[in-house]
Amino acid sequence: GAGVSQTPSNKVTEKGKYVELRCDPISGHTALYWYRQSLGQGPEFLIYFQGTGAADDSGLPNDRFFAVRPEGSVSTLKIQRTERGDSAVYLCASRSLDPASYNEQFFGPGTRLTVL
Amino acid sequence: DAKTTQPNSMESNEEEPVHLPCNHSTISGTDYIHWYRQLPSQGPEYVIHGLTSNVNNRMASLAIAEDRKSSTLILHRATLRDAAVYYCILISNFGNEKLTFGTGTRLTIIP
Repeated sequence: GAGVSQTPSNKVTEKGKYVELRCDPISGHTALYWYRQSLGQGPEFLIYFQGTGAADDSGLPNDRFFAVRPEGSVSTLKIQRTERGDSAVYLCASRSLDPASYNEQFFGPGTRLTVL
Repeated sequence: DAKTTQPNSMESNEEEPVHLPCNHSTISGTDYIHWYRQLPSQGPEYVIHGLTSNVNNRMASLAIAEDRKSSTLILHRATLRDAAVYYCILISNFGNEKLTFGTGTRLTIIP
């Protein structure tokens, strides 16, 4: 079946602009995560959704970052007033809440954001 | 979450076994040991997990020390496609746990 998809695959923007990054999780996966990966580092957690609500947003770096998941499926990560330090690969992952899934998270290919 | 320590990099010859170590001396009794890997230009993918007993699946084996303070991911016959960054991650339960990645081990396979 289809995996997690993310669009766009690449996004170049100018400092100060607003961007939206989209994640389409695996159908039926209730849990959705956003991570950010800087060059040479492991992914860092940003936010977790269970259904439509953000169950844990402790990883969002500041109030310029916001994410929504209005219908419990597709999620959008929104970044306002982008800064050069926001440049990174933004990864989305989804997970089934079926206990048999052993907490396995399925990752998308990521969106590479470059802020000039 | 308890911390894990892995070597920054390792090399192995193609078609030979690879043993990737991970130290987790502060692991708690309810922490599960998970391994993910990240191929170049891709998102991470799940490899294997375990609690106390050694585990095998189609991708790899996981050997867990008796005191659980270390573990080893074993690739039985490395191929060029196994070149990736391997992450050892502890997860305290099967709830809503986010994954806390370290810097992992970059595995290079020599043809």
